[in-house]
Amino acid sequence: GNSVTQMEGPVTLSEEAFLTINCTYTATGYPSLFWYVQYPGEGLQLLLKATKADDKGSNKGFEATYRKETTSFHLEKGSVQVSDSAVYFCALSRDDKIIFGKGTRLHILP
Amino acid sequence: DAGITQSPRYKITETGRQVTLMCHQTWSHSYMFWYRQDLGHGLRLIYYSAAADITDKGEVPDGYVVSRSKTENFPLTLESATRSQTSVYFCASSVVTSVEKQYFGPGTRLTVT
Repeated sequence: GNSVTQMEGPVTLSEEAFLTINCTYTATGYPSLFWYVQYPGEGLQLLLKATKADDKGSNKGFEATYRKETTSFHLEKGSVQVSDSAVYFCALSRDDKIIFGKGTRLHILP
Repeated sequence: DAGITQSPRYKITETGRQVTLMCHQTWSHSYMFWYRQDLGHGLRLIYYSAAADITDKGEVPDGYVVSRSKTENFPLTLESATRSQTSVYFCASSVVTSVEKQYFGPGTRLTVT
């Protein structure tokens, strides 16, 4: 069946460090891929998405590239800020159903 | 304010009690969803609704009941709460079925003792 695996947290980084949160998926066909962010006390917000192989989604300095050959959609940011502290969820969508990964908590230290 | 709201935001209840979580949206979105969020599981879909009086089961529907008599409201009822239903519950709504178009509420943290 379809599934999403993302790196376990928490991930703790210093401000301005480079961020990578790994995400791999298993799916039939060609799913759409997403990253959601959940700030403390809030619901999930769509951060970025990619709908086909080699697409790059980007938003707020975050990027992720849809790699079909490695079934991956890793989230990256070149220089993180304290305000990026949140929980990040990788997700895939297939046939209008969405499957979320378990989430990765990110702590950014000033 | 327009948007999607959930009430209560926090709830503690005892095993065996009935509890209802409310979700209200002001956009007149056709689709509404209930998810639960547990450590180690991400979000899992409980029930969804395509329109008033149309509901369908998601991945983990057992122990929950939903209704949708009005487009703007989508209450979730735990008829006899169990400790395994301790979780954070998120409601979402969207105008189309596309999952990336869902807007999430702030969540309800439910503890069953």
